[in-house]
Amino acid sequence: GAVVSQHPSRVICKSGTSVKIECRSLDFQATTMFWYRQFPKKSLMLMATSNEGSKATYEQGVEKDKFLINHASLTLSTLTVTSAHPEDSSFYICSARDVLGGKLFFGSGTQLSVL
Amino acid sequence: AQTVTQSQPEMSVQEAETVTLSCTYDTSESDYYLFWYKQPPSRQMILVIRQEAYKQQNATENRFSVNFQKAAKSFSLKISDSQLGDAAMYFCAYRRSMGIEGAQKLVFGQGTRLTINP
Repeated sequence: GAVVSQHPSRVICKSGTSVKIECRSLDFQATTMFWYRQFPKKSLMLMATSNEGSKATYEQGVEKDKFLINHASLTLSTLTVTSAHPEDSSFYICSARDVLGGKLFFGSGTQLSVL
Repeated sequence: AQTVTQSQPEMSVQEAETVTLSCTYDTSESDYYLFWYKQPPSRQMILVIRQEAYKQQNATENRFSVNFQKAAKSFSLKISDSQLGDAAMYFCAYRRSMGIEGAQKLVFGQGTRLTINP
């Protein structure tokens, strides 16, 4: 089946540094990818929709300059948490939609811990 | 805006028994998709079942079936012959079927934690 690779699976960083998370569709092309954030024992909250070759669409309340999204190719989207702070600590999940079949596939998530 | 509500934060069931998880949603759209996702401790999101709103027949996938009541905007999940591996968080989700690609985002409910008692 189709696979979405998300890397890294876990990252610990110091406050003030930036962290990049990659979301890669391994065997299909995805013009659209979605980035979610999940707090412990909570639901997934959509942060932004990543569109290949154009600017991402951010949900209300999500800081564009804080969470930089780049979707430079049909198989890769990246989320960069800039100047991370402890309150940015969370589980981040990406999903990618197969442009041909329309199905949606999820990455395995990234646990970000900011010290 | 569309909303999805799961009113049961936690549910438990005896192994081999049947359990039903509730989900209601609010939308002004007439055509859309509904989903149930499972999130085990690994936190990988796994699609359990999907329902197209234009189909009156309830979707089924082996031991999993839904009761889709469009007029009531209700979409419950029934798990038959519960197994220990069914223990997980279950999320109900909604997606529009029309519109630009980016608008077809998933809206998730709050989740229900299902425990299977041996």
